[in-house]
Order: sequence, then structure tokens, then C-alpha cells
Amino acid sequence: GAVVSQHPSRVICKSGTSVKIECRSLDFQATTMFWYRQFPKQSLMLMATSNEGSKATYEQGVEKDKFLINHASLTLSTLTVTSAHPEDSSFYICSALVGPGDYGYTFGSGTRLTVV
Amino acid sequence: AQTVTQSQPEMSVQEAETVTLSCTYDTSESDYYLFWYKQPPSRQMILVIRQEAYKQQNATENRFSVNFQKAAKSFSLKISDSQLGDAAMYFCAYRNLISGSRLTFGEGTQLTVNP
Repeated sequence: GAVVSQHPSRVICKSGTSVKIECRSLDFQATTMFWYRQFPKQSLMLMATSNEGSKATYEQGVEKDKFLINHASLTLSTLTVTSAHPEDSSFYICSALVGPGDYGYTFGSGTRLTVV
Repeated sequence: AQTVTQSQPEMSVQEAETVTLSCTYDTSESDYYLFWYKQPPSRQMILVIRQEAYKQQNATENRFSVNFQKAAKSFSLKISDSQLGDAAMYFCAYRNLISGSRLTFGEGTQLTVNP
């Protein structure tokens, strides 16, 4: 089945630095990628939707300059948390729409970000 | 806007017994998909089952089945012969087929399976 590989699985960074999270579709072309943030014991909160070759669409309240999303190819989407602060510590998950004719999604394994 | 509600933050079941998780949703659309996802402690999201709104027949996947009541906008998940590995957070999700591809998730139900 369709697999999305997400890296790193966990990262610790210093406050003020930037960190990049990658999601790669391994055996299919991901034209649409979704980025979520999840707090402990809570649901997934959609941050943005990215389509290959175009600018990401951010949800209301999500700072586009802080959470930079790049979807330059059909197999790679990245989320960069810029000038990270402790409040950005969270679990980030990517998800890809599997493709036309299939209304399912596949999810990355998530990234635990801790900002110290 | 579409909303998905899971009114049971926590549920527990004895191993080998049956449990039903509730989900209701609000939409004005007639064509959509509904999903149940499982998130175990590893936090990997796993698709459990999905239902196309135009299908009257309830979806089933082995021990998992749904009770889809379109008029009532209800989409419950039944887990039969519960196993320890079923312990996880379960999310109900909705996708509108007309206006975009985003998923709307419910708040989740934490399922505990007691041996």
C-alpha cells in the first residue's frame, strides 16, 4: 500500500533555531499533503494543505512565516518550524491523499518536536 | 462548516467482548466519506474502516463494523471479540467530496481493553 515516510521521528532543538521535518511518499505520487499538529490526548489539528508546485493553504490562526511548507516535488513535502520556541513543542504529522479514484489517506509516523 | 463529534472521551471493554464507539457529524452535503482511524501508543494513524455515504450497506472489516445512519448523521464503530491490541485512541473523520480533500476529525475516544 501507499506509504509516507516521515523524518525525523523525534528532534530536540534550541529555542530560536529552525528545524525541518520531511515527508516522502515512497511508492506513489503525493499531489496533496496535509500537515497536522497534535497535542497530548487531543485530536489532530490541520495546519496547512499543500499541493505540489503551488503555495500551501494555511488554516486560520497558523502563522505561515513560522511554519514554512514546501511541496516542490510529487514525492517530497517539508515543514520547517522557524525560530522555534518552547510553545512550538508538539507532535507533527503529515498525511497524503493517496490519489485520484481513491479517497483514502496515508499518514506519516509523526515527529515529536521538543524546543528547549 | 462540517463538524464531527465523539461524545465518549474514554471507553473500556473486556477482552473478547464487544464495544461500540459513537460518532455523529454535521453536514449539509449528500456525498461524502466517513472514516475510523486508530492511533495506538506508537501514534501511527491506521485506517480501520471507511464508508461511502452513497452506500446503504454498512462497511465491515473483519472484527470491525460500522452502523451508518445517514439521516441521523451517525457513524458508530463496533469492535467484536476485542483484543489487547485494539487498545488505542480512535478517531472518527469526515471528508466532503465536493469542496476539497481535507479530513475533519472528531475529538477521539481512548479505548482500553482489559484482560
